[in-house]
Amino acid sequence: DAGVIQSPRHEVTEMGQEVTLRCKPISGHDYLFWYRQTMMRGLELLIYFNNNVPIDDSGMPEDRFSAKMPNASFSTLKIQPSEPRDSAVYFCASSFSRGRHTIYFGEGSWLTVV
Amino acid sequence: AQKVTQAQTEISVVEKEDVTLDCVYETRDTTYYLFWYKQPPSGELVFLIRRNSFDEQNEISGRYSWNFQKSTSSFNFTITASQVVDSAVYFCALSERNQGGKLIFGQGTELSVKP
Repeated sequence: DAGVIQSPRHEVTEMGQEVTLRCKPISGHDYLFWYRQTMMRGLELLIYFNNNVPIDDSGMPEDRFSAKMPNASFSTLKIQPSEPRDSAVYFCASSFSRGRHTIYFGEGSWLTVV
Repeated sequence: AQKVTQAQTEISVVEKEDVTLDCVYETRDTTYYLFWYKQPPSGELVFLIRRNSFDEQNEISGRYSWNFQKSTSSFNFTITASQVVDSAVYFCALSERNQGGKLIFGQGTELSVKP
């Protein structure tokens, strides 16, 4: 079975550019999460969706960040404009509420903003 | 408020030693879930175990075992006869029933197993 698929795996961009990270959750999962990992802050939840609807976006750092889930099999996290402090690993994860609610992670998108 | 504390930042052992990674959690919810994830040097987050708050039975999976004690709010992870491939950062995490399954992570423990 395919796991959570993220793209790109690595991205280097210049400050001020728009960055779009993509995620395909595990088929049948009804929850989708975006996490960010940095050395200073560890793993922190940015936003999560249930049945494509954003439930909690309190972790989104500022208005430069936005996330969408247009359908059950696709989500994007967009940063516009990007800044060097956005450099981090961004993980997408998904889970199934009627199962054991275990959250499975993608391999992460490594973002560097220079 | 929910919180997960992994007091050990780094642990270094020699191969074949047993090692225990500590995890202490805080929650007001009566139904919650505890997890351990492994993050090897390649960077992905690998699910290891999930434990429900109403199931205090300890679990063993090969060289891995977990000790869940509600009385002390701890969920410790032991690796028996450690191997070099166990070198990774290990994260303990908490999810509350009324929080939609979102995970609150500890800061992680970096385990280094030397040959």
